[in-house]
Amino acid sequence: QQQVKQSPQSLIVQKGGISIINCAYENTAFDYFPWYQQFPGKGPALLIAIRPDVSEKKEGRFTISFNKSAKQFSLHIMDSQPGDSATYFCAASTGGYQKVTFGIGTKLQVIP
Amino acid sequence: ETGVTQSPTHLIKTRGQQVTLRCSSQSGHNTVSWYQQALGQGPQFIFQYYREEENGRGNFPPRFSGLQFPNYSSELNVNALELDDSALYLCASSSGGGGGDEQFFGPGTRLTVL
Repeated sequence: QQQVKQSPQSLIVQKGGISIINCAYENTAFDYFPWYQQFPGKGPALLIAIRPDVSEKKEGRFTISFNKSAKQFSLHIMDSQPGDSATYFCAASTGGYQKVTFGIGTKLQVIP
Repeated sequence: ETGVTQSPTHLIKTRGQQVTLRCSSQSGHNTVSWYQQALGQGPQFIFQYYREEENGRGNFPPRFSGLQFPNYSSELNVNALELDDSALYLCASSSGGGGGDEQFFGPGTRLTVL
């Protein structure tokens, strides 16, 4: 059972464009929703995270939008750069920052 | 400050064998979590060790077992290897156990089972 569904699985965006990745969850007990960035040969690294009492969180070019009633959340990368090319995972957990359930991942390629 | 390190980097085993993977946690961290990342998939939580005790387990069979040592480093042991065990095994260290603080991932060990 895939508790966190992520789409699309791959994404190609022009430099300067907006990258959008969507996720949906089933378990209403989830109370922490992080996004991770993974480069080839590296482990995932926390990018940005949100709690369900907030509808939007912005850090630099990265924004999470959260819709609690729809059980959906999304990552927007503004002004996408070639250095943003990586695999992005949405995730969710209950009660803290650990024991995280990951989505399948989105491979983002930003082309010049 | 040293980050999370894992050894070995790559490993090739045959079906039925046993394997041990190692993880050194980041300085100041007392919690280690292990994840399995199959090719093209997101990481799946295997289990967590907090102060040398198992502190939560995902949907993995008992042939996946672990240890945490007094210096908070950890081992993941897998017995009776199956072809589907081929994956990148990630460890993540953190402090506080369970909730606690953000977890930091190591680069992983790539296990291939033939």
